Amino acid sequence: EIVLTQSPGTLSLSPGERATLSCRASQTISSNSLAWYQQTPGQAPRLLIYGASSRATGIPDRFSGSGSGTDFTLTISRLEPEDFAVYYCQQRGSSPLYTFGQGTKLEIK
Amino acid sequence: EVQLLESGGGLVQPGGSLGLSCAASGFTFSSYAMSWVRQAPGKGLEWVSGTGTSAGDTQYADSVKGRFTISRDNSKNTLHLQMNSLRAEDTAVYYCAKRGGSGTYGFDIWGQGTMVTVSS
Repeated sequence: EIVLTQSPGTLSLSPGERATLSCRASQTISSNSLAWYQQTPGQAPRLLIYGASSRATGIPDRFSGSGSGTDFTLTISRLEPEDFAVYYCQQRGSSPLYTFGQGTKLEIK
Repeated sequence: EVQLLESGGGLVQPGGSLGLSCAASGFTFSSYAMSWVRQAPGKGLEWVSGTGTSAGDTQYADSVKGRFTISRDNSKNTLHLQMNSLRAEDTAVYYCAKRGGSGTYGFDIWGQGTMVTVSS
């Protein structure tokens, strides 16, 4: 089973700053299989990035994804108030079919 | 509008059964793989089960294998999850989620979730 480890657990930043979130896989994974989600309290997750670097429909261009192999990054170039949320990475494997990281909470400093 | 609407959650005793449904609208349901994802209170996301576009193409997390059954009715645009032998650790919000198009492995549409509480 591939384990995804996200860091940091909590990230405290101010609006306008740049956020860099990390997702590390326990073994090499295909970039095609890596996705990022945003979840705000009481809401369902929202797909931000798929295929490691492709923005989902309607996602602002301040969100970008990068990485390959075992190390992947979600970057938010300039934080807006609505960006403070929990972020999850996810990969599609074989067994289990999908796994999620434990999440990074992005909070207002 | 593309939409998923879950139903069937509630309170059930340990060892009991519950069936969840997810009604899809606004897209060609039969053309997309679907999954159930759950989130225990205050915890992260856990993939539970998935189905491809064809009958019999089903997958399960080890934590629910042998107890949960996923199915789909393409004629009614509905996804189901039958949950048997429920345990306290199955308590969670259950989301149904639509996989993106061919070659896209992210879940691009999610329902609002339905709460399942397993408690005596």
